[in-house]
Amino acid sequence: DAMVIQNPRYQVTQFGKPVTLSCSQTLNHNVMYWYQQKSSQAPKLLFHYYDKDFNNEADTPDNFQSRRPNTSFCFLDIRSPGLGDAAMYLCATSTRLGGYGTDTQYFGPGTRLTVL
Amino acid sequence: AQSVSQHNHHVILSEAASLELGCNYSYGGTVNLFWYVQYPGQHLQLLLKYFSGDPLVKGIKGFEAEFIKSKFSFNLRKPSVQWSDTAEYFCAVKRSSNTGKLIFGQGTTLQVKP
Repeated sequence: DAMVIQNPRYQVTQFGKPVTLSCSQTLNHNVMYWYQQKSSQAPKLLFHYYDKDFNNEADTPDNFQSRRPNTSFCFLDIRSPGLGDAAMYLCATSTRLGGYGTDTQYFGPGTRLTVL
Repeated sequence: AQSVSQHNHHVILSEAASLELGCNYSYGGTVNLFWYVQYPGQHLQLLLKYFSGDPLVKGIKGFEAEFIKSKFSFNLRKPSVQWSDTAEYFCAVKRSSNTGKLIFGQGTTLQVKP
C-alpha cells in the first residue's frame, strides 16, 4: 500500500552522464515536489508541480529539470551530474499548495544518487 | 531569509528518559509547523503538525509539540522515550500562503540506549 514510490532507491552515475529519477504516487494528489538532501543537511526544495504548472525555486541550478507526464508520475532529470549533486533526492506529494488548509506533504523513500 | 533552527544536532538518551527537541523559526507571518521523523532506512513520516487552534499538538507514538508564537518556537516532547524512537527528527515550517514550500531544519539525530 505504498503511496509515494521512488525508483530506483539507489542510482550510480558517472560525472556528466544524464540521469533520471522517477517518482509515482497512488494518492491522486495535485502537487508533486522534489527535494534534495545532502549528507547531514536539511532537505531543500528544488521545484514542484501543481497539476501541470511547474514552479522552479530561484536557486535551483539549470542542470536540474523535471517532467510530469500525468498526475501519477514525476521525473527528475539531471542533465550533467557533478560530484556536488550526489545526494538523496526526495519526492513528496500533497493535495494542494497552501492557504489555511490542513495540507500535509507525504514523502517517498528517496533515491540516493552517487556520482563517480 | 526564512530559516529553521534545531538546537540539538545529536541527542543520546536512555530508555524512559524524557525528550525535548528545540525548534525555532525566523518567519514573522502566519506559519504552519511540522515535525517529521525518519527512522533508519525509512522515509520521512509526519509525526505531528500545527495549523491553528490549540498550540499544544499531540502526534503519533506519544509525541507532542507546543507552538509558542512569542518565541517563534515549536519544540517536540515525549515524556518517556523508547529504543524504537531512535531516528532523525526534522522540524519544518511552511508559510501559510500559496506555496507548498517546506523549509526544514537540519535535523536532530536521537539515539536511545536500551
